[in-house]
Amino acid sequence: DQQVKQNSPSLSVQEGRISILNCDYTNSMFDYFLWYKKYPAEGPTFLISISSIKDKNEDGRFTVFLNKSAKHLSLHIVPSQPGDSAVYFCAATLDNYGQNFVFGPGTRLSVLP
Amino acid sequence: DGGITQSPKYLFRKEGQNVTLSCEQNLNHDAMYWYRQDPGQGLRLIYYSQIVNDFQKGDIAEGYSVSREKKESFPLTVTSAQKNPTAFYLCASTPYMRHTEAFFGQGTRLTVV
Repeated sequence: DQQVKQNSPSLSVQEGRISILNCDYTNSMFDYFLWYKKYPAEGPTFLISISSIKDKNEDGRFTVFLNKSAKHLSLHIVPSQPGDSAVYFCAATLDNYGQNFVFGPGTRLSVLP
Repeated sequence: DGGITQSPKYLFRKEGQNVTLSCEQNLNHDAMYWYRQDPGQGLRLIYYSQIVNDFQKGDIAEGYSVSREKKESFPLTVTSAQKNPTAFYLCASTPYMRHTEAFFGQGTRLTVV
């Protein structure tokens, strides 16, 4: 049973528009959430994170929103660029040291020029 | 430059053979992880280690073995007992602290021929 879900396997967005990637989780004990970006045949690179004590974190074009009551988080990319085309993974971790990260299955974003 | 190095990038193995994937980090991180990525399934945890000479099984440890004799190194052996070893393998590390991201290597593509 997946604890972290990304129900949209793929998403296509026009360049310059907003990309919204969604993630749902089932374990209410998760307290830290991360988004990673991955290109084919490469390791994931960290994008942005959010602690459960916050509901929003922003870094340049990337903003992550957390709705704890709904166990839902989303990544907004504004404006979207062709270089953003990649697979995006949502991850969650429990409140401990040396975390065990739980990853979602990923959403493939295609930004069309 | 600090980072995580996985080698080799591509690896071919005959059925029935054991093979070892290398992971080295010079980030002085305490915890290290091995994940496996299959299409549409995200990253699944194989093994992780929080300190030298100690490691724990992840969700899919069967058919794999690890060692952590040095802080910098966390090799993964894919044994002949692993029924479906063809996959993309990712190594990661984190410092021993709360709320930090995992840093990933570039991955090893293992193919059984």
